[in-house]
Amino acid sequence: DIQLTQSPSFLSASVGDRVTITCRASQGIRSYLAWYQQKPGKAPKLLIYTASTLQSGVPSRFSGSESGTEFTLTISSLQPEDFASYYCQQLYNYPITFGQGTRLEIK
Amino acid sequence: EVQLVESGGGLVQPGGSLRLSCAASGFTFSDHYMDWVRQAPGKGLEWVGRIRNKANSYSTEFAASVKGRFTISGDDSKNSLYLQMNSLKTEDTAVYFCARLYAAAGTHRHDYWGQGTLVTVSS
Repeated sequence: DIQLTQSPSFLSASVGDRVTITCRASQGIRSYLAWYQQKPGKAPKLLIYTASTLQSGVPSRFSGSESGTEFTLTISSLQPEDFASYYCQQLYNYPITFGQGTRLEIK
Repeated sequence: EVQLVESGGGLVQPGGSLRLSCAASGFTFSDHYMDWVRQAPGKGLEWVGRIRNKANSYSTEFAASVKGRFTISGDDSKNSLYLQMNSLKTEDTAVYFCARLYAAAGTHRHDYWGQGTLVTVSS
C-alpha cells in the first residue's frame, strides 16, 4: 500500500497568515494526488486535483505543488472560513489512501 | 446539479448486516465509477471500495479491512449505489460517504460527495 505522511498534524495560525501543509508519498504516484477540506459534520470538499489543479469554484488563495514524492498545499492568506481539517489522497493505485489529516485552528 | 444522498445507516449488533444506499442525480450514473469512503468518529478518512462503470463491467475493488465482508452494487435504472455490509465489527463504526470518481487520462478525483450516513456497530 502507498503510505501518505502528512505534516503537520495540527497547525495554529492567524487570519492573513500563509500556511503550507506537506504530504509525502512512500512511492511515486505520478501526480495522482488530491487535497480535500473538511469541516466538522460535513463531507470532504475537493480543493486541488492532479497535485496542482484548482477545482472549479475554489478560491485562488489555495494552491498545490509537487516535487517528486512530496506534495504541498498552500493557503496564501488565511480567511476565517479556512479553519478546518485538510487531507491529501492518492488515487494512483489500490487501495486508495489518505494522509492522516491536518487540523488547522485559529491562533 | 449533481447530488448524492446516502441512507440506511443505523445501529447494528456485531456480526449483523446492513445495506447502505446512495441516490445519485444530476449526472449519467452509468458513466462513472463510484466509491465508498468512511470516517470513524474523530478519525481520518478511509477508502472502503469502488464499483466501476458499465463499460468496465461493474467490477469492484475493496480495502483489505472489508474485503470478503462488504459488497458494492449499483442499479443504473434507479441511479443508485449500494454497500452491503455483512459480519459487521465494532471497528466498522463510522460515517459512510459515497463519492463520485471523475476519471480521465492522467487525472482522478472525488469531485462530489454525499452528506454521509452513520453506522454504529455495538451490542
